[in-house]
Order: sequence, then structure tokens, then C-alpha cells
Amino acid sequence: EVQLVESGGGLVRPGGSLRLSCAASGFTFSAYTMTWVRQAPGRGLEWVSSIGTSWTYIYYADSVKGRFTISRDNAKNSLYLQMNNLRADDTALYYCARGPGTGYYDHWGQGILVTVSS
Amino acid sequence: SYVLTQPPSVSVAPGKTAIITCGGNNIGSKSVHWYQQKPGQAPVLVIYLDSDRPSGIPERFSGSNSGNTATLTITRVEAGDEAGYFCQVWESSSDHRGVFGGGTKLTVL
Repeated sequence: EVQLVESGGGLVRPGGSLRLSCAASGFTFSAYTMTWVRQAPGRGLEWVSSIGTSWTYIYYADSVKGRFTISRDNAKNSLYLQMNNLRADDTALYYCARGPGTGYYDHWGQGILVTVSS
Repeated sequence: SYVLTQPPSVSVAPGKTAIITCGGNNIGSKSVHWYQQKPGQAPVLVIYLDSDRPSGIPERFSGSNSGNTATLTITRVEAGDEAGYFCQVWESSSDHRGVFGGGTKLTVL
């Protein structure tokens, strides 16, 4: 069974940093593009960043470019999102998602909440 | 930047057909994917590559895509279909990024 479990969220002050992790199991992690998608409270889905199988490509949304860094460790079956210089509008539920390439996301984690507030 | 437009809400009686649209400039040239999200739950892929259904998704769910509009159709709607539905594409013509529609709340009357 495919499982994606996010961790590392919490409350952080504006300007602060957090590192999210996503532990994957039940599939060959190294064979899939991995993506972070977020959802602000009561809002829609927003694509954040995607990383290719062997770091073949990395893409970011304009809203996070220069502040967030996506990475992966295929040996540890883990995906990461380093978030720096956080702002109030980064407050959201962050989902880790799996996809066969950049197209679509066929499995999602349950999400982890990040709250940016003073 | 590429924009996907969905109606905020659609209402349908049980047993009837729900049609949810996703508008975008020449969206027919892109692959469209659809997700269902129930309150408090993660999104679930219900249609990918315009019209393919993942295993476990009922045949009542179907998709099409042509011109400037993609469509998710749910036939014989059930109370359990009440959820938010989001369309999504991968934009690679001018930039590389994922794009979601704003979402449509399906209400079963």
C-alpha cells in the first residue's frame, strides 16, 4: 500500500524557517516525481514545487521561489521542503504527492499544517 | 500565467448527472486531471489524462477535454459524491509549473 506521511509542521513567526519531511513507503520512491501542494484554510489547492526522480528537474511556484527548497533522499525514501523567510500567506496545509512525471498526482499524504503568525 | 476557471458551485439531485467545467485557453491541447476532496480529507485523483479513471474510481466518473473547456461528468450522482472538485494541468509552454483550478463545490440536493 502506498503511504505518504508528512511531518515537521507547526507554528512559526514571520521570517522564520521550517523543514517539512515526507516519508514514503509501499512503492519504489526513486521512480517517481514528487510534489508539494498546499491549501490555505478554506481555499483551493496550490502547486508549490516538484522534483524529478534523480533531481533531473526542480520547479517552484513564483510565490515560493527563492525562499523554499525542495529536495529528496532516495536512499531514505524521503522528500523534503525547506521553507525560509516564511510569511503569513504561507499558512496552509502542506501535502506531499506522488506522480508519474510532472503531470498528475496519484497518491497524496494527509497533509501537515504550517501556521505563520506572530 | 495560465489560468483555469471553474464554477464555484454546482448542485444536482440524487440520481441525476453533474457536469463540472474547467475553462482555460486552448485547454484541449493539454492533459487535464481531476481531484475530489471531501472535508477534512486529502484530495483523491478521479480522472487523469483527460478521461482515464484510476482503479477504484466508479465508472460513473468520466472526463472530456476539447477546445477551451474540460469537463468532469458524474452520472447517477450519490450523496457520497458531495465534495470539492479541482481540475489541474501541467503548464510547460512558457514556464514549468502545476496549475489548479479554483475548485467547484458539488452539492447533492
